[in-house]
Amino acid sequence: QLQLQESGPGLVKPSETLSLTCTVSGASISNYYWSWLRQSPGKGLEWIAFTHFSGSSDYNPPLKSRVAISMDTSRNQFSLSLASLTAADTAVYYCARTIRTGDESSFDYWGQGILVTVSS
Amino acid sequence: DIQMTQSPSSLSASVGDRVIITCRAGQLISSYLCWYQQKPGKAPKLLIYGATDLQSGVPSRFSGRGSGTDFTLTISSLQPEDFATYYCQQTYTTPYTFGQGTKLDIK
Repeated sequence: QLQLQESGPGLVKPSETLSLTCTVSGASISNYYWSWLRQSPGKGLEWIAFTHFSGSSDYNPPLKSRVAISMDTSRNQFSLSLASLTAADTAVYYCARTIRTGDESSFDYWGQGILVTVSS
Repeated sequence: DIQMTQSPSSLSASVGDRVIITCRAGQLISSYLCWYQQKPGKAPKLLIYGATDLQSGVPSRFSGRGSGTDFTLTISSLQPEDFATYYCQQTYTTPYTFGQGTKLDIK
């Protein structure tokens, strides 16, 4: 059974950089696309970025300049880095497996989510 | 970005009712649409992909229809576990975008 688990700090100060890791069990991260998404009361569900072992990646344009996503196949993990945080980045952050077949995509497995609060 | 608009925003219904939730895309997206169910404190769960295809393990009372700009999610006979918030999402192009959600609660 595929499982994803986010980890990282729950509280980060404004202007700092958020680093989150998603640990995957039950499947090799080399074989799929993987995404980060977030959900806040103000903006609803928002896709942040996806990445693939091949190096293929894509980012949501408003966040692109602040986001980096990486993979560690030896640990079967992938990570999100989001810089220059503001209160608007306060949200529940999710990692998700991204199925991309032909032109179709979907998020079929999700982590439980991690609440990140940006506050001094 | 492609705007996704759901209606209604909230809906009250009873066990056994047939419920239809609508999603409209701001431009043509063919059949590149997913539906998700989310319960409080939980991650979204994929129900439907490709506008009409039922995700493995999802009960057959859930069905999706539509193409182009107008889509529906139908629950044929509501069960107690179906009371949740439902989201549509376009996968036609990045950035992938979601509707604002439809909260389904018990009448």
